[in-house]
Amino acid sequence: EAQVTQNPRYLITVTGKKLTVTCSQNMNHEYMSWYRQDPGLGLRQIYYSMNVEVTDKGDVPEGYKVSRKEKRNFPLILESPSPNQTSLYFCASSFADLNTEAFFGQGTRLTVV
Amino acid sequence: AQSVSQHNHHVILSEAASLELGCNYSYGGTVNLFWYVQYPGQHLQLLLKYFSGDPLVKGIKGFEAEFIKSKFSFNLRKPSVQWSDTAEYFCAVVPYSSASKIIFGSGTRLSIRP
Repeated sequence: EAQVTQNPRYLITVTGKKLTVTCSQNMNHEYMSWYRQDPGLGLRQIYYSMNVEVTDKGDVPEGYKVSRKEKRNFPLILESPSPNQTSLYFCASSFADLNTEAFFGQGTRLTVV
Repeated sequence: AQSVSQHNHHVILSEAASLELGCNYSYGGTVNLFWYVQYPGQHLQLLLKYFSGDPLVKGIKGFEAEFIKSKFSFNLRKPSVQWSDTAEYFCAVVPYSSASKIIFGSGTRLSIRP
């Protein structure tokens, strides 16, 4: 089944404790990206990757890192999480760029206390 | 700056009522337009999309949307809603020349009274 898989689905952590949210797609998509969803703000792009070893900042990259060592994986890294990073995170992928349909993961609800 | 506006934050309807959700965008160039739906506790799913051609596009579950270029609008419609349509709906734009980012509206929460 074609899908985008994120782990974990839920995470509660403490301020400053490094964490990684994984994202994997099995559709051989070149494009992957991360979004955060906050009430009243919709979804905002954090980082994106057009292909392996190619990443770039989105609208709200501060406090986040990403890597794209393999085509299928695009982990999101929070080196020192803070409470303002409490949010719902979605990973998305598409075939070449966003002029084709994007597929979204199930989401990761992160709480930083 | 590029932006997408959804003017209705929360819409409450009874079953069988007609639905129209507004969406306006600001961008001077060619865009591709999307509506995504997020059912409670689930991920975003594509409802319908417009790339070119007939400005009236039909999507899944009886939804349709009309692109009016002169008004920079892409409103979502459904003639008769069902309780199962309860969800959050996001209008989204991808600038054709810079297809690296989906610009989302803030979303419209739709609640259907059974």
